[in-house]
Amino acid sequence: GNSVTQMEGPVTLSEEAFLTINCTYTATGYPSLFWYVQYPGEGLQLLLKATKADDKGSNKGFEATYRKETTSFHLEKGSVQVSDSAVYFCALPPRGGSEKLVFGKGTKLTVNP
Amino acid sequence: DAGVIQSPRHEVTEMGQEVTLRCKPISGHNSLFWYRQTMMRGLELLIYFNNNVPIDDSGMPEDRFSAKMPNASFSTLKIQPSEPRDSAVYFCASSLPPNTEAFFGQGTRLTVV
Repeated sequence: GNSVTQMEGPVTLSEEAFLTINCTYTATGYPSLFWYVQYPGEGLQLLLKATKADDKGSNKGFEATYRKETTSFHLEKGSVQVSDSAVYFCALPPRGGSEKLVFGKGTKLTVNP
Repeated sequence: DAGVIQSPRHEVTEMGQEVTLRCKPISGHNSLFWYRQTMMRGLELLIYFNNNVPIDDSGMPEDRFSAKMPNASFSTLKIQPSEPRDSAVYFCASSLPPNTEAFFGQGTRLTVV
């Protein structure tokens, strides 16, 4: 089945630094790809998604491009804020037509003032 | 909509006791998921329902775990008897297929002592 591999954290940055969190996938076909974020003490919430190859998802200053050539969906932000401190999860359906998601192990980001 | 509602938010119980976690999905969503999150294993899908019917329970760790969805607006996850290794945060999520975006509740933090 489909799977994702996510860079291990933790990642610690200073405010206004550039962020990249790597995610690569193995998939049959071109399933939708997702980034979820989990703030401390909360559940996961969708950050952005891309539904087909070459799509770019964006939200709250974060971006990720669905790249079939490199089977990647890296999360980027040009200037992080303290409020971006959270755990970030890459996800995709385990197989075509599946309505459930499988998640990467998560990457914890801490942004210091 | 209030989102996915889980109760209780925190549960502390003694080993051997029965524990029941509750979930109310978003109205109109007909897929419901139970996940478990631990530091060691990350986010694991335990079971998911579609139209109140269990579709995939392959993630349920053992017979001590059971889940029900008696109607479209309520689901329970029961652990009997509970063990210390069951300590984790349990999340419920719902979605409306074919959209695979899942909406998560805030979770129940279970501690078994």
